Amino acid sequence: SYVMTQPPSVSVAPGETARITCGGDNIGRKSVHWYQRKPGQAPVLVVYDDTNRPSGIPERFSGSNSGNTATVTISRVEAGDEADYYCQVWDSRSPVFGGGTKLTVL
Amino acid sequence: QLLLQESGPGLVRPSETLSLTCSVSGDSISRSFYYWGWIRQPPGKGPEWIGNIYYSGSAYYNPSLKSRLSISIDTSKKQFSLKLSSVTAADTAVYYCARLTPSVTSTDYFDSWGLGALVTVSS
Repeated sequence: SYVMTQPPSVSVAPGETARITCGGDNIGRKSVHWYQRKPGQAPVLVVYDDTNRPSGIPERFSGSNSGNTATVTISRVEAGDEADYYCQVWDSRSPVFGGGTKLTVL
Repeated sequence: QLLLQESGPGLVRPSETLSLTCSVSGDSISRSFYYWGWIRQPPGKGPEWIGNIYYSGSAYYNPSLKSRLSISIDTSKKQFSLKLSSVTAADTAVYYCARLTPSVTSTDYFDSWGLGALVTVSS
């Protein structure tokens, strides 16, 4: 089965840029979706099809995907961005998720 | 606004059947092109897809769970349900229901999720 690797944690100061990666074999050939999960809240889709933002998601969130790495970038990080982030692709007709990255805002 | 809410027992005995229901409000559960899915997340691990169902009743299951799994839908009640039999401690997880939305790239994504329900398998 397809395996995606995310760093367990990323820390940034408020106002800085956070980059959360999702590594996988030729992941650039797949479409990657990203979800944000905050404690006690329903997960939220923040990027779909590599680079698209759903309605209501701030422009500070952006995505890219090339080669073996997909990335969600959060510009001008705010305290409210602190959450777990998960990448997701499809493989063999099944959705597959990464292990998740905890974003800490210092 | 679409809302999904999971409900069911929070504690299940080993070897018994785990049953959860997802109630959908704010939109029709019978809309074409949308699937309804279950995802779970064991403690300390990433999410795992369980399965999806269409309003017609067509269902797709994670091959690793297929032998123990049944997903059904009741459009009149705006609910879909999950039954997982012969559970073990490894089935302990937060269980989420979600809507799967078609993508132009044919790689659908989960655009609305429930809060999740913690199910613990223990005697």
